[in-house]
Amino acid sequence: EIVLTQSPGTLSLSPGERATLSCRASQSVSSTYLAWYQQKPGQAPRLLIYGASSRATGIPDRFSGSGSGTDFTLTISRLEPEDFAVYYCQQYGSSPLFTFGQGTKLEIK
Amino acid sequence: EVQLVQSGAEVKKPGESLKISCQGSGYSFTTYWIGWVRQMPGKGLEWMAIIYPGDSDTRYSPSFQGQVTISADKSISTAYLQWSSLKASDTAMYYCVRHTNVYFDYWGQGTLVTVSS
Repeated sequence: EIVLTQSPGTLSLSPGERATLSCRASQSVSSTYLAWYQQKPGQAPRLLIYGASSRATGIPDRFSGSGSGTDFTLTISRLEPEDFAVYYCQQYGSSPLFTFGQGTKLEIK
Repeated sequence: EVQLVQSGAEVKKPGESLKISCQGSGYSFTTYWIGWVRQMPGKGLEWMAIIYPGDSDTRYSPSFQGQVTISADKSISTAYLQWSSLKASDTAMYYCVRHTNVYFDYWGQGTLVTVSS
């Protein structure tokens, strides 16, 4: 089973700052199979990034994804108030087919 | 517009059975896998199971195999998740998701299941 470890657990930043969230896999993951989701309080998660670096439909270009192998990064270039949420990475692979990281909470400083 | 609309919140007692639903619209229901993701209170996301409505092929997470059953009725574009005997530890929000082979591109609004005596 591939385990995804996200860091930090909580990130405290101010609007306008740059956010860098990390997702590390216990084994190599194809970039094709790595996605990121955003979840705001009381809402369902929504897809942000797929294929490690492709933005989903309607996602602003301040969100970007990068990485390969075991290390992946979600970057938010300039934080807007609506970006403060929990972010999850997810991989597709062998059993179980899908695993999620434990999440990074991005909070307002 | 793709939509996944889930059934409403449920309050059940331990040992009771339950079946929750998710109706898809705005796309060809039989040509996308559809699945379920659990989120326990204050916790992260856990993938449970997926089904291909076109032929009812199913896949389960080992953690949920034997604990739940996923099914679909393609005539009404609806997927289901059912329990035969609920436990208090099944208390959670359950999300229906459309799967594109690699990731989940659409999510339902969630169904809160509360199991309490």
